[in-house]
Order: sequence, then structure tokens, then C-alpha cells
Amino acid sequence: ETGVTQTPRHLVMGMTNKKSLKCEQHLGHNAMYWYKQSAKKPLELMFVYNFKEQTENNSVPSRFSPECPNSSHLFLHLHTLQPEDSALYLCASSQEGGTRGNTIYFGEGSWLTVV
Amino acid sequence: AQTVTQSQPEMSVQEAETVTLSCTYDTSESNYYLFWYKQPPSRQMILVIRQEAYKQQNATENRFSVNFQKAAKSFSLKISDSQLGDTAMYFCAFMEGGTSGSRLTFGEGTQLTVNP
Repeated sequence: ETGVTQTPRHLVMGMTNKKSLKCEQHLGHNAMYWYKQSAKKPLELMFVYNFKEQTENNSVPSRFSPECPNSSHLFLHLHTLQPEDSALYLCASSQEGGTRGNTIYFGEGSWLTVV
Repeated sequence: AQTVTQSQPEMSVQEAETVTLSCTYDTSESNYYLFWYKQPPSRQMILVIRQEAYKQQNATENRFSVNFQKAAKSFSLKISDSQLGDTAMYFCAFMEGGTSGSRLTFGEGTQLTVNP
């Protein structure tokens, strides 16, 4: 039990499909993140939400659309993806209290394959 | 921009022995934090250990300890009494200090295999 739960764990979608990844954190944190992990590349930060507000979009293509309805839930809506978007998508959360250095806790990831 | 470098893509160690994983980073910041995360085959990223740059004392967590050399910008992880369950990808990560949220910059990872 990690405290950060991601669904689905595996997703296969066509390039014209629309799907969503869901993340829920049970840690009472106020910040949530999406990271992308591709083969042979370091983890890349995609989006950051603090208190439901998006505070960072790391030049992510618009075919990825995040949504944060509350501090416990984070979605990543996927639309017209490309095969190179196939990767492990990791959700994470932390408790932000005004200064950095807060530990970030990760979920188990959602494996996405675009065909 | 900060960069994190892990120069050992793969390492192996015999069970019960000690192994050290290397990490160097580049930053102009004086206030920052360093982390080691472990990613086993389940793919979940698990925090192993954390170091505050303003602390001179090296962090330890049971069998895991770090050698933090701030001037050299080096942050190595030592695993003592290696166990089969330590087999995983290990990532070194950097976080700036200051305000307004946490951002992790990761290295490329070191795949550690513990052999029986």
C-alpha cells in the first residue's frame, strides 16, 4: 500500500482513442505531479498541481490534458497520442508547506502503449 | 538548470556484500536536497534515503547510507549486507531548496542485481 494509487495499471490505446489515467492519493498531501518514464531516459516532470492549481507545465504537448478536481485526485486525459508517447506514467504527491525539500511519494505507475 | 549523472548503468553484488552506487550533480544553488529512490520490478518508485545539503552529517537508513561530498557535488549510496530484495533500478534525484513547490531532477538510473 503506497498511499498513491493509479488506475489503470496497463492501458493499450489506438492513436485516435481518448482515454484517461487516474491517480488518487490517501496521504493528505496538497501537491500532485505527473512524471513520464520512457525507456533509456530519465524521468521527466510533466505537470505540477498545488492546491488544485496547475503551477507547472513542462512543455507538454496538448494531446496530454491534466485535470485536478481536488487535492486528492489527479487525471491525465489522453487524446490522439503517438507511438512515442508509450511509456510508464507515474503520479506522485507531496505536502507543500512553503519551502521545498518535501519528500515526493510515487504511485506504481500506469503503463501506456499506443498502437 | 540542474543535472544529475549516474555513470554506472548496471552493477551486481553478491548477497551479504557491500556495494556503492555513484551519483554526481551540477548546480549553482547552495540550498538543495538529494534523494535516492529505488524502483523494483513492480515499477513503484520507493524513497530509500534523503539528504539535506545544509547538513554535513551523512544520512543513514538501516543498511543504506550516503557519502555526501558537497564541494565535489557527489552523492553516493552505500548498501551494506545486500539482500536479494535490493535488486532494483536505483535513481539519484536532486531538488532545489527555496519556496513554491518541489521539483525532482532524476539521473538515468543504475540497475543493481544482487546475486545469491
